[in-house]
Amino acid sequence: ILNVEQSPQSLHVQEGDSTNFTCSFPSSNFYALHWYRWETAKSPEALFVMTLNGDEKKKGRISATLNTKEGYSYLYIKGSQPEDSATYLCACRGNTPLVFGKGTRLSVIA
Amino acid sequence: DGGITQSPKYLFRKEGQNVTLSCEQNLNHDAMYWYRQDPGQGLRLIYYSQIVNDFQKGDIAEGYSVSREKKESFPLTVTSAQKNPTAFYLCASSIAASGISTDTQYFGPGTRLTVL
Repeated sequence: ILNVEQSPQSLHVQEGDSTNFTCSFPSSNFYALHWYRWETAKSPEALFVMTLNGDEKKKGRISATLNTKEGYSYLYIKGSQPEDSATYLCACRGNTPLVFGKGTRLSVIA
Repeated sequence: DGGITQSPKYLFRKEGQNVTLSCEQNLNHDAMYWYRQDPGQGLRLIYYSQIVNDFQKGDIAEGYSVSREKKESFPLTVTSAQKNPTAFYLCASSIAASGISTDTQYFGPGTRLTVL
């Protein structure tokens, strides 16, 4: 089973702070890296899908980068807001269906 | 509205009983998936189906069964053989599973199953 690691497990930041977290995955047999946001009492929603080394994606204050050679992706949130509080999941696609990490739980304190 | 529905939201069953969780989608997606989430764990794949009348085991298929008789529906049965069935179950769908690594999955609201 492909192993996807996320760190940190949880994070508490003040409103307005910028933050980032990491997703690590095996660099061999890599096809794609997905990021999802999962708010409490809602369904996970897709944020980004990245495939190419050096890819960068941006959606509002959230951005992500991908390094397929060393097997990691960073998710950045600029100027965190309380509505950013959620669990952020990354998932890696190799030659198997998506494998999810355990997620990073972000709490933004007003 | 297009989307994925799972019912019920909460389900209680006695130990030893089989129980079936419903998952329906009206997105016209070919692929459907069942995941299980336990505290402190990531989403783990139970079964997936890329096309009607076909499905494959995921990483933790033991004690579960599925069917895919219609494109819109992918019910999951938790059998009495599943040793630790209490968990949160998420269903998802995507346009197509095979060969499309960028295929985004769309998730239902989940069913929390408690076996007493």
